[in-house]
Amino acid sequence: GAVVSQHPSRVICKSGTSVKIECRSLDFQATTMFWYRQFPKQSLMLMATSNEGSKATYEQGVEKDKFLINHASLTLSTLTVTSAHPEDSSFYICSARPTGYTEAFFGQGTRLTVV
Amino acid sequence: QKEVEQDPGPLSVPEGAIVSLNCTYSNSAFQYFMWYRQYSRKGPELLMYTYSSGNKEDGRFTAQVDKSSKYISLFIRDSQPSDSATYLCAMRTSNTGNQFYFGTGTSLTVIP
Repeated sequence: GAVVSQHPSRVICKSGTSVKIECRSLDFQATTMFWYRQFPKQSLMLMATSNEGSKATYEQGVEKDKFLINHASLTLSTLTVTSAHPEDSSFYICSARPTGYTEAFFGQGTRLTVV
Repeated sequence: QKEVEQDPGPLSVPEGAIVSLNCTYSNSAFQYFMWYRQYSRKGPELLMYTYSSGNKEDGRFTAQVDKSSKYISLFIRDSQPSDSATYLCAMRTSNTGNQFYFGTGTSLTVIP
């Protein structure tokens, strides 16, 4: 299967600061990547679809200005949580589907804790 | 009604038992079906995927799709403590591009 790498795996930041999470496709090019948020014992909640070279598509209720997505290359998408608050603490996961594959592959996830 | 319904459990079984995990869905256009396993604090990893109706076997795992009933299952034979995880079903149609629809996940514990 294809490999998606996400970094960092965990981060603690102070309230009001910004945090950047990287998602890389290691052995394939990804024109589209997905960002999910997952609360404890709940399923994945799609936040946005990241498109290489164009603006991301955000799901209803997700603040574009708070969750900045940049997909500047075919192997890298970043999610920046701006002015983080404790309620932003969560598990963030990215995924991508290689061309020709039916299934999507996920990164390892990033546990964000805002104190 | 959610697109995909999955019993969250938790499900607890003794080691060696056969486990049956299920999802139902409402959209008859779904054609691609996947099962992911997620360990605590990790990203989901793909276990199996199937296309349309039928069975697919891979080692101790069997995925089954019944499109007429809009029902998919994952069977785990000879369950092991290492199978303890949350299992997510996912599906997509052929025409929605990259959109995946996920179940809520079923938490499984295999007791030694």
